Amino acid sequence: AQKITQTQPGMFVQEKEAVTLDCTYDTSDQSYGLFWYKQPSSGEMIFLIYQGSYDEQNATEGRYSLNFQKARKSANLVISASQLGDSAMYFCAMREVGNDMRFGAGTRLTVKP
Amino acid sequence: DAGVIQSPRHEVTEMGQEVTLRCKPISGHDYLFWYRQTMMRGLELLIYFNNNVPIDDSGMPEDRFSAKMPNASFSTLKIQPSEPRDSAVYFCASSPRTVRELSDTQYFGPGTRLTVL
Repeated sequence: AQKITQTQPGMFVQEKEAVTLDCTYDTSDQSYGLFWYKQPSSGEMIFLIYQGSYDEQNATEGRYSLNFQKARKSANLVISASQLGDSAMYFCAMREVGNDMRFGAGTRLTVKP
Repeated sequence: DAGVIQSPRHEVTEMGQEVTLRCKPISGHDYLFWYRQTMMRGLELLIYFNNNVPIDDSGMPEDRFSAKMPNASFSTLKIQPSEPRDSAVYFCASSPRTVRELSDTQYFGPGTRLTVL
């Protein structure tokens, strides 16, 4: 069964604007971790941000924040003040206790000048 | 600190040939993961090691694939014989913790783009 769903194959955003990349997940566990990675055209996978299921506050890392809505099982990535260098594929991932990390299909973000 | 190092970055080979991909994890990391990324299947975990010992190889597609980790600083993924459907980007990742915790972040190498003709 698909554990991680990213419904937006592609997104466009104007430079300097904010953008939200959607991620929903499926788990019956109460304890799990959520991750976002960035993959630029050069190919490497870059860790961006982590949210634990018991974390009461939304995670933030610089211009990245995670809009965590546990009841809705969503973990959307918000990028503020988009830059041209933010153009990349973005992957949402989840780890349940005792299991390996599972990745979504990704969203391709294009930042327009 | 150096990140995860993979070599080669690109490999083009002919069907039937043996291919060996190499990975050097981040020093001090106890876990090493091999992934494969394709357009059709996305990012798939092939195998992972803990302290040089293979823990879960259920993602290895078939017997043509094998992985080793002879020491804490080196791992190989071998495909013999290679087939065109093996064409993909292969990532190595490492993780620092000795106990698998939920916040266990994996740090990826740059990947090896394999093309099998």
